Amino acid sequence: EDQVTQSPEALRLQEGESSSLNCSYTVSGLRGLFWYRQDPGKGPEFLFTLYSAGEEKEKERLKATLTKKESFLHITAPKPEDSATYLCARGIREKLTFGTGTRLTIIP
Amino acid sequence: DGGITQSPKYLFRKEGQNVTLSCEQNLNHDAMYWYRQDPGQGLRLIYYSQIVNDFQKGDIAEGYSVSREKKESFPLTVTSAQKNPTAFYLCASSNSGDYNEQFFGPGTRLTVL
Repeated sequence: EDQVTQSPEALRLQEGESSSLNCSYTVSGLRGLFWYRQDPGKGPEFLFTLYSAGEEKEKERLKATLTKKESFLHITAPKPEDSATYLCARGIREKLTFGTGTRLTIIP
Repeated sequence: DGGITQSPKYLFRKEGQNVTLSCEQNLNHDAMYWYRQDPGQGLRLIYYSQIVNDFQKGDIAEGYSVSREKKESFPLTVTSAQKNPTAFYLCASSNSGDYNEQFFGPGTRLTVL
């Protein structure tokens, strides 16, 4: 079965406290691993695409990494404006399968 | 500015009525998608289209219908056959083929009264 599992479900951090979000997936037929940010009541905003194990991409305080079975979104010294739900999705052929997301709250 | 627009932002419907949600993109993308998002659940694929005049069912197509008469437009009709239509509906588009990221519109929140 095609599954994407994200953990933790919710995470509260103090401003400046670094941490990581996890996304694990079934391996066969992977066509990209995608990370999105979603603010309440809005559409997801694209962050990163990772194509192969060992790949890393960075944007401001965010860094995404990919292994053979999971991806991590590392958040370094987060600020309150980083509070959002972070979604990952795996590509398979022309479709994406999404996880349920991690709701991140950064406390000033 | 290139992007995806959805209208309306909020929609209220009485039980038994059909309603159509609009999605337009000016990104020149070949593929378009409709998702449904419910609290505590991931985005679930309703329908997708990779080319004009062709579309495929996603994981939860029952009670929905679509058309793709123009490259830039992909309207979704929520019919009275959909048992639990209250949800947040998201439209996305991408270049066709594998590995292509999808870009999302702002969403339409549908409430059935």
